[in-house]
Amino acid sequence: DAKTTQPPSMDCAEGRAANLPCNHSTISGNEYVYWYRQIHSQGPQYIIHGLKNNETNEMASLIITEDRKSSTLILPHATLRDTAVYYCIAPNTGTASKLTFGTGTRLQVTL
Amino acid sequence: NAGVTQTPKFRVLKTGQSMTLLCAQDMNHEYMYWYRQDPGMGLRLIHYSVGEGTTAKGEVPDGYNVSRLKKQNFLLGLESAAPSQTSVYFCASSFIAQGAGINTQYFGPGTRLTVL
Repeated sequence: DAKTTQPPSMDCAEGRAANLPCNHSTISGNEYVYWYRQIHSQGPQYIIHGLKNNETNEMASLIITEDRKSSTLILPHATLRDTAVYYCIAPNTGTASKLTFGTGTRLQVTL
Repeated sequence: NAGVTQTPKFRVLKTGQSMTLLCAQDMNHEYMYWYRQDPGMGLRLIHYSVGEGTTAKGEVPDGYNVSRLKKQNFLLGLESAAPSQTSVYFCASSFIAQGAGINTQYFGPGTRLTVL
């Protein structure tokens, strides 16, 4: 797996966009970038993934730099319910790929 | 469609007791996983399965056993519980697909286990 680096914590005002960065400078050509989040005491929840192109779904957008060494998860209009720990993961795609969860970024959305 | 369910939600054991945690998924996923999460830490993989009748060790397998007799169920057993196994246990499942699909894992709500 590629090593990922995330800031330990971030704050965001409700209604504003939350931009969560992730550095994955050692990522290889076939490794996707995945984002999960874990709301307090709950199981992790898949958000989005991407390889080269920017991706968007109903939850978030993922912006990947052209050199693929970093990415940004964007929550366009953060709400209090988005307060969670966000994990950026770049697993080795093979059989039974195992997700390695680091400590992630703790996002606090405030009024 | 319930997704991934775990039984029980909470359990308190005494040192040396045994128990089995049950994970069930109704998404017809081939792959299933057991993780543990200690306070303030990320998830660590205990065991996983790539299909019915198969199991493999993860990062922290010692003290645990697993079985996958049915595709939809993945059992995690503690033969002789120890206080170091006090943790929150999460089960997950994923499907086999082209490209990156295998890493889209869906998690259960967790089982909170305390070993005294």
